[in-house]
Amino acid sequence: GNSVTQMEGPVTLSEEAFLTINCTYTATGYPSLFWYVQYPGEGLQLLLKATKADDKGSNKGFEATYRKETTSFHLEKGSVQVSDSAVYFCALRIQGAQKLVFGQGTRLTINP
Amino acid sequence: DAGVIQSPRHEVTEMGQEVTLRCKPISGHDYLFWYRQTMMRGLELLIYFNNNVPIDDSGMPEDRFSAKMPNASFSTLKIQPSEPRDSAVYFCASTSRTSGSIDEQFFGPGTRLTVL
Repeated sequence: GNSVTQMEGPVTLSEEAFLTINCTYTATGYPSLFWYVQYPGEGLQLLLKATKADDKGSNKGFEATYRKETTSFHLEKGSVQVSDSAVYFCALRIQGAQKLVFGQGTRLTINP
Repeated sequence: DAGVIQSPRHEVTEMGQEVTLRCKPISGHDYLFWYRQTMMRGLELLIYFNNNVPIDDSGMPEDRFSAKMPNASFSTLKIQPSEPRDSAVYFCASTSRTSGSIDEQFFGPGTRLTVL
C-alpha cells in the first residue's frame, strides 16, 4: 500500500541550528510529495511540495528534494528560528487521486 | 477571503450523547475532506466528498459515524452515540480541481472533541 514514514520526534534544537526531518515513502506510480506544517492550535498549512523526481520544493527557508532513487523527501532548513516550532507532516498523493496519505508528524521545538 | 470554517472549536460531551461537527469549505472548492487527529494514530482521513457526493468513506471507523454534505457550502460529521475513544481533534479541509494548485488542501482550525 501507499505509506509515509517520518523520523520520530520530538526534535529539539537551538535557534540558528541546521534542521533535517527525514521522510521516506512507499507508493505505486509517481506520487506528488508535500510537507505540511501545523502551528499550535491551528490547522495544517502547505509548506512546500514537489510533483516529480528531482524537483525541489522551497518556502520560508525550508527545502525538500524529491529523490526517486531513495524514495525520500527530507525537509531541511539552514538556520531555524523559534517561530519554526510546530508539527511537520510529510504526505503523498498518488497521481489521479485526491487523497493525501500523511506521515505521523514530527514535533519540532526551537529554543532561544 | 475566509478560510475553512469549523464549529464548534471545542466540544465536551458525555458518553452516549450525539455530537455534530460542522464545516463550511472555501467558496468554490468542490472537494471536502474530514480528518481525525489523535496522538496514537496521527492524522487519519475519515471521508471525502466531491461535488457534495461521498467518494471514499473507507476511513469512517464504524456505523456510529456519519457524514453529510447537503450543499456545496456545508458539511456535517455526526457521532451517535459518542464514546471516550472518539476524543480527538477533527479537521475539515477543502480543495478544488480548478484552483491554481489542485494539490493544496486548505485546513480549518479543527474541533477539539472530548467525550467524558
